[in-house]
Amino acid sequence: GQNIDQPTEMTATEGAIVQINCTYQTSGFNGLFWYQQHAGEAPTFLSYNVLDGLEEKGRFSSFLSRSKGYSYLLLKELQMKDSASYLCAVRALTGSYGQNFVFGPGTRLSVLP
Amino acid sequence: KAGVTQTPRYLIKTRGQQVTLSCSPISGHRSVSWYQQTPGQGLQFLFEYFSETQRNKGNFPGRFSGRQFSNSRSEMNVSTLELGDSALYLCASSLAGQVPSSGANVLTFGAGSRLTVL
Repeated sequence: GQNIDQPTEMTATEGAIVQINCTYQTSGFNGLFWYQQHAGEAPTFLSYNVLDGLEEKGRFSSFLSRSKGYSYLLLKELQMKDSASYLCAVRALTGSYGQNFVFGPGTRLSVLP
Repeated sequence: KAGVTQTPRYLIKTRGQQVTLSCSPISGHRSVSWYQQTPGQGLQFLFEYFSETQRNKGNFPGRFSGRQFSNSRSEMNVSTLELGDSALYLCASSLAGQVPSSGANVLTFGAGSRLTVL
């Protein structure tokens, strides 16, 4: 089976740095994705890791350790608009080009002034 | 280009009724996936369609079904609605199956259809 864990809620202050952790157990791993979802809106793609290491995209960075089944999303210089749920998702390949995504429960981040 | 379009955005049904939700993927995307999102369970995979064929299926009862048309538009149907079916139903499209797997095969979600069952 596949299992993904994330903290349910986190709170941080505007301008600070926050790290959201994600641990997973899955078969057929082919990438770990982070999505951002504001309340009442669709999830939007943030970052993607398939190899170990750090991927940086502006204020957002994502890290992956496949041997440990662990990833984190790092948000720097927090802004109020970063208040949202952050979803960790593992992709597994199925068949020739098929893919299956399993999502974690999401971490609700509240950024305080 | 236009994003993923889902209709209707909101709907209210009563127990025992059935509902059909529609999804138009990004132009050129032939893979369409459906997810159910609830506060307690998060995003749960329902099924994925590619070229009018169901390629993957999640762990949901047979009351949940779907189909895909030749223009890649997809519909999902829930019959004999139960209170627990109240949720946000999200559709996502991607290039999976059209190009080798890569980071480019991300899911692009629609805004969702919020179903309330009374």
